[in-house]
Amino acid sequence: GDSVTQMEGPVTLSEEAFLTINCTYTATGYPSLFWYVQYPGEGLQLLLKATKADDKGSNKGFEATYRKETTSFHLEKGSVQVSDSAVYFCALMDSSYKLIFGSGTRLLVRP
Amino acid sequence: GAVVSQHPSWVICKSGTSVKIECRSLDFQATTMFWYRQFPKQSLMLMATSNEGSKATYEQGVEKDKFLINHASLTLSTLTVTSAHPEDSSFYICSATSGNSNQPQHFGDGTRLSIL
Repeated sequence: GDSVTQMEGPVTLSEEAFLTINCTYTATGYPSLFWYVQYPGEGLQLLLKATKADDKGSNKGFEATYRKETTSFHLEKGSVQVSDSAVYFCALMDSSYKLIFGSGTRLLVRP
Repeated sequence: GAVVSQHPSWVICKSGTSVKIECRSLDFQATTMFWYRQFPKQSLMLMATSNEGSKATYEQGVEKDKFLINHASLTLSTLTVTSAHPEDSSFYICSATSGNSNQPQHFGDGTRLSIL
């Protein structure tokens, strides 16, 4: 079945460092791909999405490109801030509109 | 952007009681709502999918008599944890979508349930 694999955390970075969180997927067809962010004690917020191959989703300085050839959707940000500290979830939407999540990657940004 | 309101945000109750959690879409019609459970430091586990006006579809291993889901309107779904026990303590999150494959799910802020 469909699945999402993302790098384990925690990822600890200094402020203004470059961020990459790897995400790969296994799916039949070409699912829509998402990154969600979860701050402590809260639900999930949609960060960005891409619906077809080579699409680039971007928001708040974060971006991810839908790579069909490598079945990847890595999340990147050029300069992280302390306020970016959260848990990031990569997800795909299957044909029945269900979201299949990766295990989540905790990001900690130090001042 | 789309807003989903979940209530209550935190509930503590005694073992054996039933607890109802509401999930409302405030500015769009949610043809489909989802209920998730999240254990500490883990990912979200889909419990069930509910479509307005029809019975919920439960994931394997989720007790439908334990977790009652009602989706009576296009803006409201409820999850009732019946005869709750300490092992039901968890973070429950709902999401809603208009159902189009290009529309993402919008999540509520979650409900932390603690059963004493």
